[in-house]
Amino acid sequence: GAGVSQSPSNKVTEKGKDVELRCDPISGHTALYWYRQSLGQGLEFLIYFQGNSAPDKSGLPSDRFSAERTGGSVSTLTIQRTQQEDSAVYLCASSLGRIEETQYFGPGTRLLVL
Amino acid sequence: GQNIDQPTEMTATEGAIVQINCTYQTSGFNGLFWYQQHAGEAPTFLSYNVLDGLEEKGRFSSFLSRSKGYSYLLLKELQMKDSASYLCAAFFPGGYQKVTFGTGTKLQVIP
Repeated sequence: GAGVSQSPSNKVTEKGKDVELRCDPISGHTALYWYRQSLGQGLEFLIYFQGNSAPDKSGLPSDRFSAERTGGSVSTLTIQRTQQEDSAVYLCASSLGRIEETQYFGPGTRLLVL
Repeated sequence: GQNIDQPTEMTATEGAIVQINCTYQTSGFNGLFWYQQHAGEAPTFLSYNVLDGLEEKGRFSSFLSRSKGYSYLLLKELQMKDSASYLCAAFFPGGYQKVTFGTGTKLQVIP
């Protein structure tokens, strides 16, 4: 069956531009997670959706970051006025619902800000 | 704070047993995750411990002790394909849902 998909797989942008990253979770998964992984670093939790709502957005690195999820399915992570420190792999994962359910990760979007 | 510490690197021999430790200076978490991540790939879920004790899944087992503030991942009968990074993470429920990761342990399995 189809796993979690993310697009684009790679994105190169110029400093100051806005980017939008997309995540398609596994069908039927109500929970969706966004993480960031910088080169050589561990995973950094960004935000978690249960259905369309995100209980807490404090994991987002700055107010340039926003995320939404509509229809309980696709989610987009938007980074405005990108900075070089935003360069990282952005990973999306989904699970059936409860946090202890297995999270299935997508392949990630590799973002490079020049 | 929510510090989660893991050894940076470990090396073990094919066929052997290796224990990867994860210590934390935090409380109030609901459970502890372990993930495996091969270089250049997305993480894959290994285990989630809520209760103290050992949970076994084939060659991989995970242990949690809340009173002692640590967890470990035990890999038996090591195979070359087990060379990867192993990430420990704690889940904090409540008004917010947050997962805090350690920096990961890079395991190299040698012949």
